[in-house]
Amino acid sequence: NAGVMQNPRHLVRRRGQEARLRCSPMKGHSHVYWYRQLPEEGLKFMVYLQKENIIDESGMPKERFSAEFPKEGPSILRIQQVVRGDSAAYFCASSPLAGTGGETQYFGPGTRLLVL
Amino acid sequence: KQEVTQIPAALSVPEGENLVLNCSFTDSAIYNLQWFRQDPGKGLTSLLLIQSSQREQTSGRLNASLDKSSGRSTLYIAASQPGDSATYLCAVRSNTGNQFYFGTGTSLTVIP
Repeated sequence: NAGVMQNPRHLVRRRGQEARLRCSPMKGHSHVYWYRQLPEEGLKFMVYLQKENIIDESGMPKERFSAEFPKEGPSILRIQQVVRGDSAAYFCASSPLAGTGGETQYFGPGTRLLVL
Repeated sequence: KQEVTQIPAALSVPEGENLVLNCSFTDSAIYNLQWFRQDPGKGLTSLLLIQSSQREQTSGRLNASLDKSSGRSTLYIAASQPGDSATYLCAVRSNTGNQFYFGTGTSLTVIP
């Protein structure tokens, strides 16, 4: 059973470009979470999604950031018009049960975004 | 809002020593607490998950305790090895909401 997969592992963008980060949850998991880790800071929750639904986006910046988890295919975190402050590691996690349960979340290896 | 603090930020010990990592959180209304390990440039590996009703969990040389009322957890590592060198993260899930709140981690170096 493959773990959570994220691609690309490293992404370089120039200011103003778009960044698309992909996350494929573990087989059988239908809940996906995105976190951001800024340099020298802890992981911060961004958004929680189930298939075709955004459940909690309280950690998402109001502008330029969006996330989706379509019925088919990976979850996508999209950052429009990137700025240098978006440079960070973006981690995806998945779980098999409802988000308020006692289950653990399984983390992917992360995508390291560098904005030049 | 839940805040999670980890002390110390960095720790260096000789191989074979027993050590304790500390985690504190401000809101005791938690659902569970989890300890993770993060290697440089890598993702997170779950080490131990403690439910709010539990006091401790053990796995091999690792033992995690939870004192919910005082807002504290410790991760005890016995007989440390160079392979234990990594950043250890504590994360708390509140009774409400779907997210984990993470501490900034303790960077551990075990010297051979």
